[in-house]
Amino acid sequence: QKEVEQDPGPLSVPEGAIVSLNCTYSNSAFQYFMWYRQYSRKGPELLMYTYSSGNKEDGRFTAQVDKSSKYISLFIRDSQPSDSATYLCAMSARASGGTSYGKLTFGQGTILTVHP
Amino acid sequence: GAVVSQHPSRVICKSGTSVKIECRSLDFQATTMFWYRQFPKQSLMLMATSNEGSKATYEQGVEKDKFLINHASLTLSTLTVTSAHPEDSSFYICSARQTSGNTIYFGEGSWLTVV
Repeated sequence: QKEVEQDPGPLSVPEGAIVSLNCTYSNSAFQYFMWYRQYSRKGPELLMYTYSSGNKEDGRFTAQVDKSSKYISLFIRDSQPSDSATYLCAMSARASGGTSYGKLTFGQGTILTVHP
Repeated sequence: GAVVSQHPSRVICKSGTSVKIECRSLDFQATTMFWYRQFPKQSLMLMATSNEGSKATYEQGVEKDKFLINHASLTLSTLTVTSAHPEDSSFYICSARQTSGNTIYFGEGSWLTVV
């Protein structure tokens, strides 16, 4: 079983739809959660990050973390064709003996297409 | 957000030669940088973690003598693919963690083609 599971899709929605992207994880040591957006043939771009359970909103994006269920989500409101990309969830645990965090563990990525 | 620059963005080299890819954090210091490899339609595969001033930590199955990593300063890490083979052709991406925090930013990636 992978440490982080993410449905690869592809997911196709009409412009203006609300998109829900999800990841589940098995390692309870993960405490730092991120969502990245990756356009084709480009490096990932950080969208949001959060440490705690609950919701965090930034513009059209809302990140949700439920540590008790080991489940994180990214919601995109009023989706646009420019949102078409691969969305990667990533998470990390604290590095042993320190205050910093270790390497990122990624989900497989969900391919999203928003059509006009 | 913070900027991480990779250079070159595309490189073609002949089999048997070596090629160096640079990763720079332009507006922040990065004690830790990471190097990834990504195959088409797959997620990122971590190759190694480099900490400024110390040896890189390689993931299982990654040949340290083939993929040389140097992190000589708080803003620069380099990946050298030695004695390149066509199967080394891939998309290589670096990321950098802010020294003052935990946020990790990625470079734009470098496409390597070995002919």
